[in-house]
This record gives sequence, C-alpha cells and structure tokens, in this order.
Amino acid sequence: NAGVTQTPKFQVLKTGQSMTLQCAQDMNHEYMSWYRQDPGMGLRLIHYSVGAGITDQGEVPNGYNVSRSTTEDFPLRLLSAAPSQTSVYFCASSSGAQETQYFGPGTRLLVL
Amino acid sequence: DAKTTQPTSMDCAEGRAANLPCNHSTISGNEYVYWYRQIHSQGPQYIIHGLKNNETNEMASLIITEDRKSSTLILPHATLRDTAVYYCIVRRIGTASKLTFGTGTRLQVTL
Repeated sequence: NAGVTQTPKFQVLKTGQSMTLQCAQDMNHEYMSWYRQDPGMGLRLIHYSVGAGITDQGEVPNGYNVSRSTTEDFPLRLLSAAPSQTSVYFCASSSGAQETQYFGPGTRLLVL
Repeated sequence: DAKTTQPTSMDCAEGRAANLPCNHSTISGNEYVYWYRQIHSQGPQYIIHGLKNNETNEMASLIITEDRKSSTLILPHATLRDTAVYYCIVRRIGTASKLTFGTGTRLQVTL
C-alpha cells in the first residue's frame, strides 16, 4: 500500500491564482481530512469528509473548497490564493471515527 | 474537546526513558487521549491512545492518572530518531476524524 499520497510536494502561486491540491489513499478509508500547518504552530483542520459525497467544514474553511466523489480521493481547491494561505498542507485518512489517522507527506505552498 | 497543556520543550539523553507529560484537566468521560508525533515537518505519526487504562505498544507506553486529568507518554529507550514534536490530543467518542492540535512538546534526544 502507498498509504496517503499528496501532490504536488511544493507549489508557488501568485495572489489570485487557483489550484487544486491532490490527496489519495489506497486503504479504503472512509474518513479523510485536510489540515494546514503554519510555522511554529500545530495543525488546524480545514475540511473533512466521513465518506463519499459527504463533506463538512473544520476550524479554518474560508478560502478552500473540497469534494469527495470517490472513497480514494479528496482534493482541496484554493479558489483565489492569498499570501495568508502560505502554509504546509497535510491530508489524512482513517477507517472510522475512532481509528487513528494516517497522514500524507504534505504539500508546501507559497503564495506570493 | 478538552484542552490540553504540554511543556514547550524537553531534553532526553539517548538510551534513557523520555517521559512526556500532558495535562487535560477538563477531560470528559467519553474522551480519549491520543498521542501523535511529527518528525521534522513530515506528516504526523500516530503513537498510541487510551481511555482510562494504561496502554503499551511497540513504540511507547501511555500512563493515564486515575482521575484522567493528566497522562504521560513514555518512550522507554529514546534514540536520536525520536527527536520530534509530540502532540497530546483529546478527542470525543463518536466524532469524525477531527484532531485538534496544540503546539506540542519539542523533544530533543541528545548523545
């Protein structure tokens, strides 16, 4: 199993550009989540999904959209990038509400 | 979810036990204690979790006080590879996979 994979590893955007961060898992996990981590801080939840077709907002959802059309994929869309969205983004998955989460390697995003 | 308090940083000599404390004085009866760690900006890695009994796995031991207001993560024989930020997280039963991370404890293992 590849586990949780994220692409790209690193991205530079200009203010106002849009992009999609990809996340995929091959463990047939129902639960998937997106977090962002700013320098010197812990992770903050952006959006999460409890199954295909079901998504919900986390702690910091503004500026981000998600969809979950398949169990495997959970892309995160930045509609109009802002410098405040410069961060490291982590995707995670788990097999249930009580199960541990597996994290991807992260995507480092720089918005100029 | 209950708030947690951890020391900002700790040092430990290689080969010695690392004892990382966590205070969660407002924990409810339906909340678990989870520990994750993050090595040098990699994705967080699950270590262990428990409800009220002490737990042990191949990575660590988790000691939860009888009143459940605090816990200690024990790495029995710390190595340089255990240098990381350790997060103590309290999470309710029956919630989706939503973790609330604080700033954690930065553990430095030295020779």
